[in-house]
Formats: sequence, structure tokens, C-alpha cells
Amino acid sequence: DIQMTQSPSSVSASVGDRVTITCRASQGISSWLAWYQQKPGKAPKLLIYGASSLQSGVPSRFSGSGSGTDFTLTISSLQPEDFATYYCQQTNSFPITFGQGTRLEIK
Amino acid sequence: QVQLQESGPGLVQASETLSLTCAVSGYSISSGYYWGWIRQPPGKGLEWIGSMYHSGSTYYNPSLKSRVTISVDTSKNQFSLKLSSVTAADTAVYYCARHRADRYYFDYWGQGTLVTVSS
Repeated sequence: DIQMTQSPSSVSASVGDRVTITCRASQGISSWLAWYQQKPGKAPKLLIYGASSLQSGVPSRFSGSGSGTDFTLTISSLQPEDFATYYCQQTNSFPITFGQGTRLEIK
Repeated sequence: QVQLQESGPGLVQASETLSLTCAVSGYSISSGYYWGWIRQPPGKGLEWIGSMYHSGSTYYNPSLKSRVTISVDTSKNQFSLKLSSVTAADTAVYYCARHRADRYYFDYWGQGTLVTVSS
């Protein structure tokens, strides 16, 4: 199985800040990575697929990069609605695996 | 607009079988995509349970494989999850979702349903 490790586990930031979350795969997955945002009591929402492709309707302040084993999700200017938990997921092979999540909190 | 809706008992007795159904609207299951289940224990992360193609091809999480069955009913445009011999560790919010056959990211999700295993 491919293990996905996110860092940090939690981060505090202010509105307007730039935030970067990292995801590392235990083996190379090319660009087969997705990022999700989850708010309390809600289902995860797809933000990015193919490591850097923005899902339709997702604001352009979200961006993704990376390939192989190391990936990043960047939020260029935090908005109040961005405070949530973020998960990466490898989309390369079965079994599908997720990172443990990164909680983005208001400073 | 594609919509998925989970349904099933919110309380299951330990050692029994958990059964959930996901009704799909706005898209025909027979048209393609994999249809899957993901769960999230309270306060914890996401765990993929398994996925099934409309033709019957299935993939399961190895850690759950011996207890899981996913099936599709194309006539009702819905798919189902059965998880046998449940314990308290199976208490979670269960989500249904879909992903492409060549790209395994989940683009549409149900709202989720909490299933509590009671001893």
C-alpha cells in the first residue's frame, strides 16, 4: 500500500496569510494526487486533482504542485471560509489511501 | 447535477452486519465510473473501504476485505455496502462517492451517515 504523510498536522494562520501544506507518498505516484477540503459535519470537497488541476468552481487562490513523492497545497491569501481540514489522497492505484489530514485554524 | 444519498440504520449491534445504500441521481451508474465507500471515525481521518464498477469489478481495502461486500443495482441506480461482524471500531460516518475508472479522485460525495455500533 502507498502511505501518505501530511505535514503539519495542524497550522494556525490569519486571514490574508499564505499557507502551504505538504504531502509525501511512500513511493512515486507521478502526478496522481488529489486534495480535499473538509468542514465540520460536511463531506470532503475536491479541490485539486492530478496534483495541480483545479476542480471546477474552486477559487484560484488554491493551487497544487509536485510530482513523484512530494506535493504541496498552497492557499495564496486565506479567506475566512478556508479554515477547515485538508486531506491529500493518492489516485495512482488501489488501495486508495489518504493522508491523515491537516487542520487549518484561525490564529 | 449528480447527487448521492446514503441511507441505512444509524445503530448496529456488535457482531452484526452493517448495511447501507447509496442512491444516485443525475447520473446513470451504468454509464461508467467507480462507485465507492469511505468512512471517517469520529474526530479521525478518512479511510477508503472499497469501490465497484458498474460491470462488477471491485476493489476493497485489504484491512477490511474479509468483511466487506459492495454491490450495484443498476435497475434502481443505487449501490450498497455490507460490513459484517462489526465492532465499536466500525463506528464512523460512512460516505458514498464516485471516481473515474482511470483517475481515482472522488468528485461527488454523499452527505454521509453516522453509524454507531452498540455493544
